[in-house]
Amino acid sequence: QVHLVESGGGVVQPGASLRLSCAASGFSFSSYTMHWVRQAPGKGLEWVAAISHDALYKYSADSVRVRFSISRDNAKKLLYLQMDSLTTDDSGVYYCARGGDYGDFGVFFWGQGTLVTVSS
Amino acid sequence: QAVLTQPSSLSASPGASASLTCTLRSGISVGSYRIHWYQQKAGRPPQFLLRYKSDSDQQKGSGVPSRFSGSTDASANAGILFISGVQSEDEADYYCMIWHDRSTAIFGGGTKLTVL
Repeated sequence: QVHLVESGGGVVQPGASLRLSCAASGFSFSSYTMHWVRQAPGKGLEWVAAISHDALYKYSADSVRVRFSISRDNAKKLLYLQMDSLTTDDSGVYYCARGGDYGDFGVFFWGQGTLVTVSS
Repeated sequence: QAVLTQPSSLSASPGASASLTCTLRSGISVGSYRIHWYQQKAGRPPQFLLRYKSDSDQQKGSGVPSRFSGSTDASANAGILFISGVQSEDEADYYCMIWHDRSTAIFGGGTKLTVL
């Protein structure tokens, strides 16, 4: 079955950087689009970024576009989110999520999430 | 105006039916989108329930009970998640989502369903 495990979260100061990772198993990773979605404490879901199965297409929310970068390593079945110039508004649980196959950017399976706290 | 608008809360009695709406902003048509629905219980990650565009273009998540179904209301420009025979275990937050402009995923603000 689909299994997604996020790592890399933690407590950092404003202006710092973090790189989140997501280890995928149970499916043909290189055939599926992938997403990062976050959730601030007590708030709703906010889409962060998505990447096509072959990494040719990358999309991100306006709120993070110049600061965050999504990437993937299909050989290692890993998804990444590089986050720079973090602010307190970036705090929350970050979920790795699997999309559909090839060009399907729906969101279908979710990891357990990793907590990012940006605080001085 | 938000792209997707959901009522913040809804309550239902056990055994009753519940319709959760996701209204699209004026100018974008519900008929053009697959509306995705997610359930999130307290302290848990979201779970995909189903997505619906039409009767011939719909998909349900693995293991999702048959009491959950999707539809649209073109006159209201809204997607609908219908729960027939609400159970206490259905108490959760529900979110809708669309993939918009071939480049952006947008979530609604979520509806908290309380089972009284």
